[in-house]
This record gives sequence, structure tokens and C-alpha cells, in this order.
Amino acid sequence: GAVVSQHPSRVICKSGTSVKIECRSLDFQATTMFWYRQFPKQSLMLMATSNEGSKATYEQGVEKDKFLINHASLTLSTLTVTSAHPEDSSFYICSAFRGTMNTEAFFGQGTRLTVV
Amino acid sequence: GQNIDQPTEMTATEGAIVQINCTYQTSGFNGLFWYQQHAGEAPTFLSYNVLDGLEEKGRFSSFLSRSKGYSYLLLKELQMKDSASYLCAVRDSNYQLIWGAGTKLIIKP
Repeated sequence: GAVVSQHPSRVICKSGTSVKIECRSLDFQATTMFWYRQFPKQSLMLMATSNEGSKATYEQGVEKDKFLINHASLTLSTLTVTSAHPEDSSFYICSAFRGTMNTEAFFGQGTRLTVV
Repeated sequence: GQNIDQPTEMTATEGAIVQINCTYQTSGFNGLFWYQQHAGEAPTFLSYNVLDGLEEKGRFSSFLSRSKGYSYLLLKELQMKDSASYLCAVRDSNYQLIWGAGTKLIIKP
């Protein structure tokens, strides 16, 4: 079964509104979670690293004020896309490593965001 | 710079064997991962290699040669459901995952 749960799986929102995506680790604690964006027929692009209890680390070119990340607990990280625009339409995926040796990386189911 | 190379697309026949190669050049190495991704879905973890050699998991095996910066994913007894993209990713010295663009595998009857 899924060990990382992401919600919602699909969302359609109007331009200018905000959308929150949740990522939960179900049976383990994740001090670090990763947020990716994937455009059609392209590979995953790391957006930011979410750290429990501290600020997220954003990749170059990713707007911190637009993509708000909160990692308030060891099992939950949220990504909020603020003032969404059509170009933000994409597939957003979170992941976390499980295991003391950090050898198993699991992904959430992904969120298909469409901004109209 | 950091780079992961894998073929864009491969075609194989149901019941056959296929090998998907991955070469990498990264800042440090802390393991190599293979993921399977069906269209419209999130990637699914397949394998992890950190030491040289072959790791076998049922129909899937993954090989690593750190000195050559090379890995392959071997799929045996191919089934139609194996049609998917296969992503190679390397964890670098900063424990960041560097992703290949993925190999689209097409299985024909």
C-alpha cells in the first residue's frame, strides 16, 4: 500500500486563486520531504526540499512567495500555489525517504493542477 | 555539470528481455535509483544500488558500476503492463536526486 499519500489527486482552479496540496507519510516519520513538478513528457524537476520545523530550501528559479511550503509535523508537508496562473498547470509530486539508511524513496500519488 | 543519460525510447516484445542503460556524471555518489512511471501517475520505486554489482528483485534486476558511472535495469519475461517510463536517478553528495529524462518502454504483443 501507499506509504506517502498526496491529496488532492486532481484540482482545477481559477486563475488568481490559491491551491493547497498535502503530502503525508503514512507509517514513518519524514524530517525531509521533496516537492517536484513534472511537465508532460519531461522528467521530474525538484522545486524545493521541505524540512520539518524549519524553512524550506528552494531550487534556483522557484519563487518562494508563490510556492509556499510548510512542514509543520514529521508526517505532513504542504505546498500552496498562490495566485495561480495557467502556466502553473502541471503535475506536482512529493516524495520522502523511508528507512534508517534512506534507501527507499517513495512518492505520493501526484496532483494534477489545472489553472483555468 | 551533473548529467544523467538514458535512451529516450525502447521497444520490446512481450515475454522477452530488455535492458535499459543509464550513465551518469554527478558531484559525488550516494546511490542510484530506478523508478517506473506510468503515464499520468507518480513514479514507483523499483530498485536501489549503492555498491557495484547486480541486485535482483523478481523479474527486475539492476546493475551498478561506479567506476564506469553506469547502471542498467534488466526486465525479464516482459508483460504488457511493463509499458511505462523508467527513470534513473542518482543521489549526489548533497543527497539531492538528479534525474534522467526517462526511457519510454513500449511492449508489443
